[in-house]
Amino acid sequence: GESVGLHLPTLSVQEGDNSIINCAYSNSASDYFIWYKQESGKGPQFIIDIRSNMDKRQGQRVTVLLNKTVKHLSLQIAATQPGDSAVYFCAENSGGSNYKLTFGKGTLLTVNP
Amino acid sequence: GAGVSQSPSNKVTEKGKDVELRCDPISGHTALYWYRQSLGQGLEFLIYFQGNSAPDKSGLPSDRFSAERTGGSVSTLTIQRTQQEDSAVYLCASSEALYEQYFGPGTRLTVT
Repeated sequence: GESVGLHLPTLSVQEGDNSIINCAYSNSASDYFIWYKQESGKGPQFIIDIRSNMDKRQGQRVTVLLNKTVKHLSLQIAATQPGDSAVYFCAENSGGSNYKLTFGKGTLLTVNP
Repeated sequence: GAGVSQSPSNKVTEKGKDVELRCDPISGHTALYWYRQSLGQGLEFLIYFQGNSAPDKSGLPSDRFSAERTGGSVSTLTIQRTQQEDSAVYLCASSEALYEQYFGPGTRLTVT
């Protein structure tokens, strides 16, 4: 999930496969993390969040894993569907801020039917 | 219920002109945020309102950018003397609970 210059990292999967999107966050003092999904022409949509006192949280078809030791966050999507195609952003609460989110550059997920 | 709305959805302006972007948050949400998203980039924090007050304006790129919020509801982001580098999608979000920010569809600004 690391970005290089202006090019979004991309992940291409087959429908029905599981997807894993990775994110490295920057501030060891951040204690709240969110994954957002952004479809073309729309604003970001909340998917799932996790606090730093947890290392795993599950939602409907999605799981977020947090590794604070290496400052790494991942989003797992089970049985990926064409409707999951979007840009996925991770966000952290900027060093423990109670309102400010710092967003990663995003990963483009393409699901092939 | 109604989500966050923004207007206009698209704005094309000439370099040097002023523009105003509007955000209508979800009713009852006390916190409001403005972000900027350049092509292929993540979201850049601009400003945060709690009620009508803006305790954090640290993300505003220059003094050409300003924002206000009235009645604890509608917010306007104003960019004076627009430059080409201001071209981006401007996103507004609102929240009631901590962190659960709900985003509008954005205003795509193009400065020619």
